Amino acid sequence: ETGVTQTPRHLVMGMTNKKSLKCEQHLGHNAMYWYKQSAKKPLELMFVYSLEERVENNSVPSRFSPECPNSSHLFLHLHTLQPEDSALYLCASSRYSTGDFYGYTFGSGTRLTVV
Amino acid sequence: AQSVTQLDSQVPVFEEAPVELRCNYSSSVSVYLFWYVQYPNQGLQLLLKYLSGSTLVESINGFEAEFNKSQTSFHLRKPSVHISDTAEYFCAVTPGNTPLVFGKGTRLSVIA
Repeated sequence: ETGVTQTPRHLVMGMTNKKSLKCEQHLGHNAMYWYKQSAKKPLELMFVYSLEERVENNSVPSRFSPECPNSSHLFLHLHTLQPEDSALYLCASSRYSTGDFYGYTFGSGTRLTVV
Repeated sequence: AQSVTQLDSQVPVFEEAPVELRCNYSSSVSVYLFWYVQYPNQGLQLLLKYLSGSTLVESINGFEAEFNKSQTSFHLRKPSVHISDTAEYFCAVTPGNTPLVFGKGTRLSVIA
């Protein structure tokens, strides 16, 4: 158990579907992150939340919509995705979004396949 | 902005042989450096980190990395690898006030 739980582990969706990814942490961390991991590419930071407020959005298409209702939960809402959005989506948390030198705790990821 | 280069995408090595995974970074300010490991079907786990002080840092499972400021490198080494070390290894950097930036990863395959 890593302390960060992601559900579902696997998701197959059509391009017209709407689905949501869920991330949960009970580590007392104040910052949460969504990363996209594609083959042969660096991890791409998508969104950063600090104390439930979005502090960074790295030019992510609007078909990805994050939600952070409290410091323990983070969602990624998906709609009208493209096949190139197929990837492993990783959630991470840290004590703070800046100045936290203890590193991030990652979940196991959601393997998303868009068909 | 910072960037991380991991030159080797794949490194095959025989069991009990030494290994070095290379990491170079680019930054105009001082940075903190990390190595993460990802086992199959799992998320990333922190392996070791350099924050300050001694330039040689060690992990609990025998890996070590040395910070070399002049060469802007943070290479990961292990003197004798095991089958269980087979995984993907990611180098990451941050100046402390922005999120971690990761390299593309190096897949270490240990051959029996």
